[in-house]
Amino acid sequence: EIVMTQSPATLSVSPGERATLSCRASQSVSNNLAWFQQRPGQAPRLLIFAASTRATGFPARFSGSGSGTEFTLTISSLQSEDFAVYYCQQYNRWPLLTFGGGTKVEIK
Amino acid sequence: EVQLVESGGGLVQPGGSLRLSCSASGFTFSNYRMHWVRQAPGKGLDYVSAINSNGDSTYYADSVKGRFTISRDNSKNTLYLQMTSLRPEDTAVYYCVKYNFDYWGQGTRVTVSS
Repeated sequence: EIVMTQSPATLSVSPGERATLSCRASQSVSNNLAWFQQRPGQAPRLLIFAASTRATGFPARFSGSGSGTEFTLTISSLQSEDFAVYYCQQYNRWPLLTFGGGTKVEIK
Repeated sequence: EVQLVESGGGLVQPGGSLRLSCSASGFTFSNYRMHWVRQAPGKGLDYVSAINSNGDSTYYADSVKGRFTISRDNSKNTLYLQMTSLRPEDTAVYYCVKYNFDYWGQGTRVTVSS
């Protein structure tokens, strides 16, 4: 099983500041990496796929990068609606796909 | 507009059974692999099961293998998850998810407790 490790577990950021979230895979997943946003009480939403392609409906302040085992989600200027939990997921070897444990982005 | 609407959750005793349903609309259901993902209270996302477009290939996480059965009825645009021998650790919100995880239902809550 490919283990996905996200860091930090919680990130405290002020509105308007930049947030950088990390996701590490225990072995290479190429660029088969997705990010999801989950607001409180809501279902997750696909945010990024193929490591860096933004899903429909998300603004350009969200960007993804990386390949192999190291990935980053960057939110360039945090807005109030961005405070949420973010999960990474590898899908390199379907059906053996796995999620990371999540990073909670909270208001500082 | 793509919609996935889960139903069938509830409170069940350990060892009991439940059948979850997911009604799909807004896309050609029969063309797509579908998934179930669950989330225990206050925890992360856990991949449970998947089924291919025509229903002849399925996948189960080790934690549910032999207890859960995924199926679909393409004539009714509906995905199912039959859950038996339920355990307290199966307590979670269960989400129905389309093919490449681009659409999720709102989830149905399953509580396993005596």
